[in-house]
Amino acid sequence: AQSVTQPDIHITVSEGASLELRCNYSYGATPYLFWYVQSPGQGLQLLLKYFSGDTLVQGIKGFEAEFKRSQSSFNLRKPSVHWSDAAEYFCAVGALLGGGNKLTFGTGTQLKVEL
Amino acid sequence: NAGVTQTPKFQVLKTGQSMTLQCAQDMNHEYMSWYRQDPGMGLRLIHYSVGAGITDQGEVPNGYNVSRSTTEDFPLRLLSAAPSQTSVYFCASSYSGLAQETQYFGPGTRLLVL
Repeated sequence: AQSVTQPDIHITVSEGASLELRCNYSYGATPYLFWYVQSPGQGLQLLLKYFSGDTLVQGIKGFEAEFKRSQSSFNLRKPSVHWSDAAEYFCAVGALLGGGNKLTFGTGTQLKVEL
Repeated sequence: NAGVTQTPKFQVLKTGQSMTLQCAQDMNHEYMSWYRQDPGMGLRLIHYSVGAGITDQGEVPNGYNVSRSTTEDFPLRLLSAAPSQTSVYFCASSYSGLAQETQYFGPGTRLLVL
């Protein structure tokens, strides 16, 4: 069965600083990987996804992630954080469950941005 | 497009009461699903549907029923609410059930069972 680990529960960065959120996955085949962001009281919004091709994936809001098969990782990065990036970030792996798509989520990383 | 909509936004129930969480999408997506979000546990799949008339169980289906009579709607029913069902519930949809498809999430329903 697939699993996702986000080792950092909370991260605090200063506005303008760079950001890296860690994600490690366990999956037997080529993974389909996703990063979602959840602002307080809101649903989840897709930042980016990887399912084949270039291992460096660009997303919305200036985020990018790099798939490293050898390390089973899919870390999310942003070169310069804005105060509006404060939110909770979820890494997920997609897999087929019967006839449907099951997303297995990590437990999330809460990002706080200091002004 | 409204995307994925959920009602109500917040609900308080007493143990043993029943209720239906509504979910609708206007993107003509075939695949819809329900997740629950609990602190420190991420989101877990409750039930899913690959099309009208077809539903199946996810990883935490006990205590919940679903049906899919139309492409647009996918309600989640709690027949006899329990405090363990206190959670935030998210409905999601995607064009198909392929694993690489992007799932679009609704804003959530926060449920408190006393």
